[in-house]
Amino acid sequence: EADIYQTPRYLVIGTGKKITLECSQTMGHDKMYWYQQDPGMELHLIHYSYGVNSTEKGDLSSESTVSRIRTEHFPLTLESARPSHTSQYLCASSDGRVGVYGYTFGSGTRLTVV
Amino acid sequence: KQEVTQIPAALSVPEGENLVLNCSFTDSAIYNLQWFRQDPGKGLTSLLLIQSSQREQTSGRLNASLDKSSGRSTLYIAASQPGDSATYLCAVRCLFSGGYNKLIFGAGTRLAVHP
Repeated sequence: EADIYQTPRYLVIGTGKKITLECSQTMGHDKMYWYQQDPGMELHLIHYSYGVNSTEKGDLSSESTVSRIRTEHFPLTLESARPSHTSQYLCASSDGRVGVYGYTFGSGTRLTVV
Repeated sequence: KQEVTQIPAALSVPEGENLVLNCSFTDSAIYNLQWFRQDPGKGLTSLLLIQSSQREQTSGRLNASLDKSSGRSTLYIAASQPGDSATYLCAVRCLFSGGYNKLIFGAGTRLAVHP
């Protein structure tokens, strides 16, 4: 079944640790996105990719980085986690045919930095 | 700059009521509009997608309308149930500089349906 997967689902980690949040999709979508959402707040785009080796920063400044080496995989990395990075991170993908299809979201990773 | 506003921010109703959630956007140059549902601490589930050329979409007890020229969309929920309790998000897909397009979200409407 075509879908988008995020791991881990929950992560509690100490300050200063390096972390990578995984996102994979099996739909063959060329466009992928990372959104950040604080509790009870709006979603904000932090990174997006329009294909392999293509990455761009989104509307909300983020200290995280992303890579897109394979079409299906779009991991997000924090080199040194801080309590201010505590948030929910949502990955999404969409088909290249703009306006025809919508976005599909993963279940999210809830990150807590202590 | 595209801005998406959802009214009301929160809604609490008894089971069985018909509901209308409102979404407005400032720039009518959109590709499509998508309604999502988000349960607490979870990801987003797509409910309905309306293309810019369409006026409405229906799925079960849900009906979404789009008036692009006035920058408005409504999500109608018929015969609400406790299981409908969640946050409902409206998002528009817009063209940005450099040929990129993005999904811009509203802050959502938190719905509570009590038995």
